[in-house]
Amino acid sequence: QVQLVQSGAEVKKPGASVKVSCKASGFTFTRHYIHWVRQAPGQGLEWMGKINPSGSSTSYAQKFQGRVTMTRDTSTNTAYLELSSLRFEDTAIYYCARDMEEFSSAARFDSWGQGTLVTVSS
Amino acid sequence: QSVLTQPPSVSAAPGQKVTISCSGSSSNIGNAYVSWYQQLPGTAPKLLIYDNNKRPSGIPDRFSGSKSGTSATLGITGLQAGDEATYYCGTWDTTLSTGHVVFGGGTKLTFL
Repeated sequence: QVQLVQSGAEVKKPGASVKVSCKASGFTFTRHYIHWVRQAPGQGLEWMGKINPSGSSTSYAQKFQGRVTMTRDTSTNTAYLELSSLRFEDTAIYYCARDMEEFSSAARFDSWGQGTLVTVSS
Repeated sequence: QSVLTQPPSVSAAPGQKVTISCSGSSSNIGNAYVSWYQQLPGTAPKLLIYDNNKRPSGIPDRFSGSKSGTSATLGITGLQAGDEATYYCGTWDTTLSTGHVVFGGGTKLTFL
C-alpha cells in the first residue's frame, strides 16, 4: 500500500538548519508530486511548497522563499525538506504528502507521512 | 489569519447531520477544486473529499462535498464517535503568479 515514512523528531537551535526525509513505498515515486505542509502546535495546516516527480522543479510558498529547499532522490524513493535560519516560530510538525494523480499538481493529498516534530529551542 | 474561512467549531449529536462551510474568493475556491481533510488528534490529515464532491476509495458515503461560487461545504450524516475531529478545506490560490495551496483554519467537530 501507499506509504510515506518520515524521519524522527529534531531539536534545533535558532539559526540552525534542519533536513527532514520522507521515504515513499507502494507506488511509482517518479510519477507523483510531493508537497510539504506544516502545522504549528494547536494551529492549522500551512503549505510550504512542492517538488515535481523528477525533482527538476520546485515551487515554494512566498513565506519560505530563500529559507526552504525541497529535493528528492529517485534512487531511494526519498523526498527531503530542508529549512534554514530556523526561528522559534518554526516549531511545528512537518508533513510530506503525495498528490493523488500521476504527474498532476492539483493539491489532492491522498497520502501523508506520519509527521516530523521540529522543535526550535535555545 | 487563514485565506479560507471556516467556523472554528460545530457541535452535533451522534446520529445527526452536520455541515461545515468554507468560504474563499474568486482567486481560490471560485476557480479551483476543493478538497476536505479530516484530522484526528495526534494523527496526520486524511483526504475525505477531492474535486469538490468526489470520495477516495474507502471513504463512506456519509461524507459529501459541494461547491457553489466561492464557497464549499462538507456534509456528514449519521455522525459516529470516530467523526470527532478537526476538518480542513484546501484548494489552489492563484493570487500570486506561481500559485499556492491554501487551507481553512479548521473546524473542530464535537458531540453534544
